[in-house]
Amino acid sequence: GIQVEQSPPDLILQEGANSTLRCNFSDSVNNLQWFHQNPWGQLINLFYIPSGTKQNGRLSATTVATERYSLLYISSSQTTDSGVYFCAVEKDDYKLSFGAGTTVTVRA
Amino acid sequence: DAGVIQSPRHEVTEMGQEVTLRCKPISGHNSLFWYRQTMMRGLELLIYFNNNVPIDDSGMPEDRFSAKMPNASFSTLKIQPSEPRDSAVYFCASSLNYYTGELFFGEGSRLTVL
Repeated sequence: GIQVEQSPPDLILQEGANSTLRCNFSDSVNNLQWFHQNPWGQLINLFYIPSGTKQNGRLSATTVATERYSLLYISSSQTTDSGVYFCAVEKDDYKLSFGAGTTVTVRA
Repeated sequence: DAGVIQSPRHEVTEMGQEVTLRCKPISGHNSLFWYRQTMMRGLELLIYFNNNVPIDDSGMPEDRFSAKMPNASFSTLKIQPSEPRDSAVYFCASSLNYYTGELFFGEGSRLTVL
């Protein structure tokens, strides 16, 4: 199956800082999604982005499919951004393969 | 619009008891997934339904686990008998169809088996 590697595994930010999370994957994909799992455990769909760039408020994502990576940008971080960010990919079936996640802690 | 609805949110039971987790997918979504999340193994896909039909249950750990989708708006995941190693958060997720793939998760059911 596809291997998904996320980096860094942990990230501590001061409120207001910017950051970049990375997702590398081992094969071409049809589907790539970013999720945020908040401290209460809820998994929220952030972006469906198999290629290209999307923005939603302070968050944006870019996927370079030909080079097999995706980046998630958090700008002007807030404490509510804390949690675990997952990248998930799918090649040619319905099975999303999840990375191990990046744990983000934003300090006030 | 209501999202994916799961119940119960928390379940504590004793080893050997039957556990039933329930899920209502987003209206109009044709694909439904059950995932399990643990610290050791992360998020694992247990079973996938498309148009109410189980397509792939290869992720179901063993025969103690079963899942049904009697109609487009309801699915159950049953564990019988339950064991302590089944303790995990079980997520249900739905997507519009197999081809779009954008996945929306419920809030999860946290299961503790004593």
